[in-house]
Order: sequence, then C-alpha cells, then structure tokens
Amino acid sequence: KQEVTQIPAALSVPEGENLVLNCSFTDSAIYNLQWFRQDPGKGLTSLLLIQSSQREQTSGRLNASLDKSSGRSTLYIAASQPGDSATYLCAVLVYNQGGKLIFGQGTELSVKP
Amino acid sequence: EAQVTQNPRYLITVTGKKLTVTCSQNMNHEYMSWYRQDPGLGLRQIYYSMNVEVTDKGDVPEGYKVSRKEKRNFPLILESPSPNQTSLYFCASSLSLWAQETQYFGPGTRLLVL
Repeated sequence: KQEVTQIPAALSVPEGENLVLNCSFTDSAIYNLQWFRQDPGKGLTSLLLIQSSQREQTSGRLNASLDKSSGRSTLYIAASQPGDSATYLCAVLVYNQGGKLIFGQGTELSVKP
Repeated sequence: EAQVTQNPRYLITVTGKKLTVTCSQNMNHEYMSWYRQDPGLGLRQIYYSMNVEVTDKGDVPEGYKVSRKEKRNFPLILESPSPNQTSLYFCASSLSLWAQETQYFGPGTRLLVL
C-alpha cells in the first residue's frame, strides 16, 4: 500500500533563504506527483504537477523534482518570502489502488521577515 | 471564474441528524472526489466519481454516501452523523483522473457533530 511521508513536519526560515521540502513515497508505480499549498482554514491550491516520465517542473520561484526509482520528490523554493508561509502537501496518483490521490501530511512552513 | 463550491462552509449538528454537503464545479470536469482532513491523519479520500453515475469508495467511506446524477454536482450525504465525523471536508474535481491535470479543491466545509 502506497504511503507518502513529508519531513520535516514544520520548518521556520528567515526571509530570503532558499529552502527544500521533501516528500517520499513507498511504491514507484505512480502516475504523477503533485505539490499543493494550503493556507490556514482554506482549500488546497495546486503548485506543480510532475508526470511520472518527467524529472522536474518549474513555476516562478518554485522547482519540483521527481526521482521515481528512489521514491523521492523535492520542492525547492528560491528566495523565500513571508507570503510563502503555508502548509505544503505532496500527493501521488497511483495506478493500483483504485485511482486515488494519496497525500503526505504536509510541511508547515513559516518564513520570518 | 473556474471554481469548486461547497455549501455550507460551516455546520454544527447533532448526532443522528441527516445532513448533506453540496459540491458543485463549473469546469465540466469528469472526475470529482471527497476528502476529509484531520490533524495527524492528513487528507483521506472518502469517495470519488469518474463520471456521471459512476462512484467508488475511497479509504474511509463508512458512514458516508454520495451520488453523481449530474456532471457538475457531487453531494456528500451523512445519513446518521456521529462525533467521529467531525472534520474538515474538501471536494475536488479534475478534467479526468488520468488527464495529467491537477485537481481543483473547494474551500472546505468545517463540520462539528455534537
């Protein structure tokens, strides 16, 4: 059964720092991997989607990588800003479990001015 | 504006009183899904629907029902709510589960069952 883990659970950094959020998954038979952002009390907003055949995707200051063989993905945030403070969730879409999106528990990021 | 809407946004109810949380999307999406989010447990899928009249169980379907009579709507029904169904609920949709497109999430419904 696919499991998705995100470490650390919480991260606090000063403004301007580059940072990396980690996501690992146990079964490499994924269709894609998605990164979402969740602000407190709000819904999820999609950041990046990486297809299983791709190695990375970029959007502005965000870069997500995928290494299926090792079961890992990273979300790199460049030049962090206080507005980046939120919880970041990764999720994998799997073939062999009824076509469901399986989420990690998220990393709560705080960027201090 | 492309969006997923949920109603109500907040609900306090009592054990056993049937309730329905509505979900509607205006993007002509085939795939829709319900999740619940609980501290320490993360987001877990309750039910999903690949298209009209096609629904299937997710990881935690017990105590919930769904229907998909129209493409745009996917209501979540709690026939006899219990306190362990107190949670934050999200509806999501995408063009197709296998279309390599992201899922769009609604704003959430916070439910408290007394």
